[in-house]
Amino acid sequence: GAGVSQSPSNKVTEKGKDVELRCDPISGHTALYWYRQSLGQGLEFLIYFQGNSAPDKSGLPSDRFSAERTGGSVSTLTIQRTQQEDSAVYLCASSLVVSQGDGYTFGSGTRLTVV
Amino acid sequence: AQSVTQPDIHITVSEGASLELRCNYSYGATPYLFWYVQSPGQGLQLLLKYFSGDTLVQGIKGFEAEFKRSQSSFNLRKPSVHWSDAAEYFCAVGPRTGANNLFFGTGTRLTVIP
Repeated sequence: GAGVSQSPSNKVTEKGKDVELRCDPISGHTALYWYRQSLGQGLEFLIYFQGNSAPDKSGLPSDRFSAERTGGSVSTLTIQRTQQEDSAVYLCASSLVVSQGDGYTFGSGTRLTVV
Repeated sequence: AQSVTQPDIHITVSEGASLELRCNYSYGATPYLFWYVQSPGQGLQLLLKYFSGDTLVQGIKGFEAEFKRSQSSFNLRKPSVHWSDAAEYFCAVGPRTGANNLFFGTGTRLTVIP
């Protein structure tokens, strides 16, 4: 598509439930990134994909967080047994990794609220 | 370790006044440098980037930034602010080799008053 698409745009869930956040990157972009933006905080790196593989999972805050990417396209970020501290805006970005240092194109994010 | 510091959490300027947002970084080598803007409820939009060459780079919406290697800084400037510039601004650095990942500062929120 023309831009990075994220769904849902807003999600309210009860503590303890699992949630799935979806990211559809720009067609042809081989790199895909997930960031978390908590209230009053900067962007916290979570994970990135090169194709379907994730070379760097160091940013995932706990084993409740996982992500996958299939077909070199859509990615899903899953949070199991959600906690209130998981409330944040989850941003996805994609880039042409062929051009090292190329800037990212961001989606509008998914606002997750855990009640 | 990599870090990006934006020392000003919140800045208020009058419409038509000049603007400078500060960014300092700590990195193993000269990184790629970026400024992004985030309007309320929106994703981040790239304003400008520095890779090499001229240390004064021009971006969209009338913004510019100057890379100063000696100060490890990449400050964002605009000669005359418009009300529509009110937003959150993020400085970011990325590696020239290896993993293609950006590290972001904590952001500076800009308020523009009439």
